[in-house]
Amino acid sequence: EPEVTQTPSHQVTQMGQEVILRCVPISNHLYFYWYRQILGQKVEFLVSFYNNEISEKSEIFDDQFSVERPDGSNFTLKIRSTKLEDSAMYFCASSGQGAFYEQYFGPGTRLTVT
Amino acid sequence: GNSVTQMEGPVTLSEEAFLTINCTYTATGYPSLFWYVQYPGEGLQLLLKATKADDKGSNKGFEATYRKETTSFHLEKGSVQVSDSAVYFCACYVAGNNRKLIWGLGTSLAVNP
Repeated sequence: EPEVTQTPSHQVTQMGQEVILRCVPISNHLYFYWYRQILGQKVEFLVSFYNNEISEKSEIFDDQFSVERPDGSNFTLKIRSTKLEDSAMYFCASSGQGAFYEQYFGPGTRLTVT
Repeated sequence: GNSVTQMEGPVTLSEEAFLTINCTYTATGYPSLFWYVQYPGEGLQLLLKATKADDKGSNKGFEATYRKETTSFHLEKGSVQVSDSAVYFCACYVAGNNRKLIWGLGTSLAVNP
């Protein structure tokens, strides 16, 4: 069964450093997403991406964040200058087209900012 | 705006007990509804879904029925197992330009042997 993959599984970085979180969505999907989950809290939407551009972004997704689909398979989330409060689990998801909608999630990347 | 409310946890049950986790939604139009499960140390997995009123989603012994009249999508299982211990998230999606999932806070379930 096709699945979404994410790398790395755990990233530790120092405050102020740049990080890139990588995702490989399911190959025939067209919509891509990033969510995050701060430990013990709810899942929060960050951004959706379609047709090589951002469809929607939340208020969390400020100028420090960017997304890119550099080739036909990868989908990346970059945080330019990490802050302590960026520590969270980051989930990538993808979905196909259709009247109803189902997102498939990757296993997540745990980001720890020290 | 659109929102999802689910019962607060943690919920602690003995093995073979009956489980209900309540979920209600507020959404315009006709949302699709989902339950996701997160096992300890793992990512989010789709457990079941329903895309229109009166649909029943089911998987692994879990069921949830899309009730438009009460705007609810309660998760039930007749006999829980220790392996069902996880966090359960209710979520909804409203079709349109906005394709994001709206999430509930999650309900932690612990099943004791």
